[in-house]
Amino acid sequence: DADVTQTPRNRITKTGKRIMLECSQTKGHDRMYWYRQDPGLGLRLIYYSFDVKDINKGEISDGYSVSRQAQAKFSLSLESAIPNQTALYFCATSDLTGPEQYFGPGTRLTVT
Amino acid sequence: AQSVSQHNHHVILSEAASLELGCNYSYGGTVNLFWYVQYPGQHLQLLLKYFSGDPLVKGIKGFEAEFIKSKFSFNLRKPSVQWSDTAEYFCAVRIYNTDKLIFGTGTRLQVFP
Repeated sequence: DADVTQTPRNRITKTGKRIMLECSQTKGHDRMYWYRQDPGLGLRLIYYSFDVKDINKGEISDGYSVSRQAQAKFSLSLESAIPNQTALYFCATSDLTGPEQYFGPGTRLTVT
Repeated sequence: AQSVSQHNHHVILSEAASLELGCNYSYGGTVNLFWYVQYPGQHLQLLLKYFSGDPLVKGIKGFEAEFIKSKFSFNLRKPSVQWSDTAEYFCAVRIYNTDKLIFGTGTRLQVFP
């Protein structure tokens, strides 16, 4: 019954590989976000999208790109993965009526 | 730049002890405030939120937080913690009329039976 799902949940990849993380939501929210979580650094915003045609960079967008394929889908790509992109990645959603965000279960990415 | 500080990085308590986790933010205007909890291996869940009105807000599982505007603080409290409260706690701030949350670095709470 998860409202925000992420695939894959775990991924190990090698330096230089392209990888895509996917997020889907059934909450009907317009706004979607990608964060990365690193120990001791909390959550940092990578990209966010307020609707299908509106995509914005967050504080740490270098090395990442996104695609909002539909209202319910927001994908994060690492064009050429590097080891310091090893982290836990979360997708989140929110709607126009309230600023609180709802998080997916996370994707643990390891770049070797 | 706006920021959120959580000075307690790691807190260890015994069951039934009282808890207070600090959160301070740097912004002089109107804010919305949140506490999220992340149980081991799980995603972030909203614990409580403050938008306006009574500065003492109550959340789930017996948690509460107090907004003190003059101190730019939104500390989280619980009178008596349980082992099941072991988790990481994140404070987050939304600058009014923006749509981004700024998260603190988190506080890891360990509760021992």
